[in-house]
Amino acid sequence: GAVVSQHPSWVICKSGTSVKIECRSLDFQATTMFWYRQFPKQSLMLMATSNEGSKATYEQGVEKDKFLINHASLTLSTLTVTSAHPEDSSFYICSARPTTRGTQYFGPGTRLLVL
Amino acid sequence: GESVGLHLPTLSVQEGDNSIINCAYSNSASDYFIWYKQESGKGPQFIIDIRSNMDKRQGQRVTVLLNKTVKHLSLQIAATQPGDSAVYFCAENRRGGADGLTFGKGTHLIIQP
Repeated sequence: GAVVSQHPSWVICKSGTSVKIECRSLDFQATTMFWYRQFPKQSLMLMATSNEGSKATYEQGVEKDKFLINHASLTLSTLTVTSAHPEDSSFYICSARPTTRGTQYFGPGTRLLVL
Repeated sequence: GESVGLHLPTLSVQEGDNSIINCAYSNSASDYFIWYKQESGKGPQFIIDIRSNMDKRQGQRVTVLLNKTVKHLSLQIAATQPGDSAVYFCAENRRGGADGLTFGKGTHLIIQP
């Protein structure tokens, strides 16, 4: 149980384009999902908290207009990287929580390469 | 700002030996702690968690110890196996896990045959 999927697993795009990443909880409902970013050989950094039916909460330094988050249902959150640039190249990982508190389960991650 | 950190970036142990990975945290408001294992190119995998009202919790081959006095967390892995080779992260959380996680820097555990 507690399986989280992400799609796509990797994406290569040109600078200036937008990329959408999906995060799904497969066997549970999640009112809250989280988006993290991880650069090579570094730790995960929380970007934003995605709340079903309301606006996302962004961490300090994360541009909300660049990283659009939509939590359309209790099993799906999407992260759209708008006008991507090479510095946005990273490993994007989502997590979801089956209950209002407690353990977060992570997806397999999406590797983004912006050329 | 407040953060969670690790003492050693790389730990090498012989297969079959026990390993201990340490973590220091600085946020006194943290009340929930989790250890994750991350293999190359994959998302973090939950190992074990502990709440601040406990000082020890055991799982299968793993034990987490929490010392709130010195704000220290450790993960013990017994009888290490080649499959244990990975990067291990501690993470802390407030409000019993309601918030997003703050991760430590990670320790790369290498199991020598």
